Amino acid sequence: DTGVSQNPRHKITKRGQNVTFRCDPISEHNRLYWYRQTLGQGPEFLTYFQNEAQLEKSRLLSDRFSAERPKGSFSTLEIQRTEQGDSAMYLCASSSSGAAEAFFGQGTRLTVV
Amino acid sequence: KQEVTQIPAALSVPEGENLVLNCSFTDSAIYNLQWFRQDPGKGLTSLLLIQSSQREQTSGRLNASLDKSSGRSTLYIAASQPGDSATYLCAGAQAARQLTFGSGTQLTVLP
Repeated sequence: DTGVSQNPRHKITKRGQNVTFRCDPISEHNRLYWYRQTLGQGPEFLTYFQNEAQLEKSRLLSDRFSAERPKGSFSTLEIQRTEQGDSAMYLCASSSSGAAEAFFGQGTRLTVV
Repeated sequence: KQEVTQIPAALSVPEGENLVLNCSFTDSAIYNLQWFRQDPGKGLTSLLLIQSSQREQTSGRLNASLDKSSGRSTLYIAASQPGDSATYLCAGAQAARQLTFGSGTQLTVLP
């Protein structure tokens, strides 16, 4: 296992379109997190899963955003009706527990035109 | 609500110099603190994790300290190299949940 994998690495979409990102965590990690990062800022928390259960969602996660983690393995983050303000780097991380080190993927860079 | 601040926002040093990056946090009820490195357009690489019961961690030329009572952490980089140029982020975990990040320090090491 080479770490957390995210696909695609880059996505350009037109405003109003739906997009979906995928994250494959480190295989033995039961916690999976999604963050969003804009230029010059640190990542901001969006949501996290423990196994297949989504345990917490940030107020940043509007009703246009939905995340799933079927079977407690990979996760998807969908953004519906994209807006220009959604342009950012979307980062996925995983850890074996809340106290353990978090490992991040390379991110998906979303550009909404 | 936890707030994390990193000062300075940018730092430029000559190669070989030892340097310290600073991180402060408002809520001392921190579960752990993690330092990351981020290269332009890339994801985050974990450097060091300090649990709340620990005072410091070391890895190679890096040493991170944690002082919960003062709400501060520092990352010490010894004998800096041009390859150390990157943005360094600190993040604190509350109640074993998500990380709260600072805005980072952009480090440039000049050859």
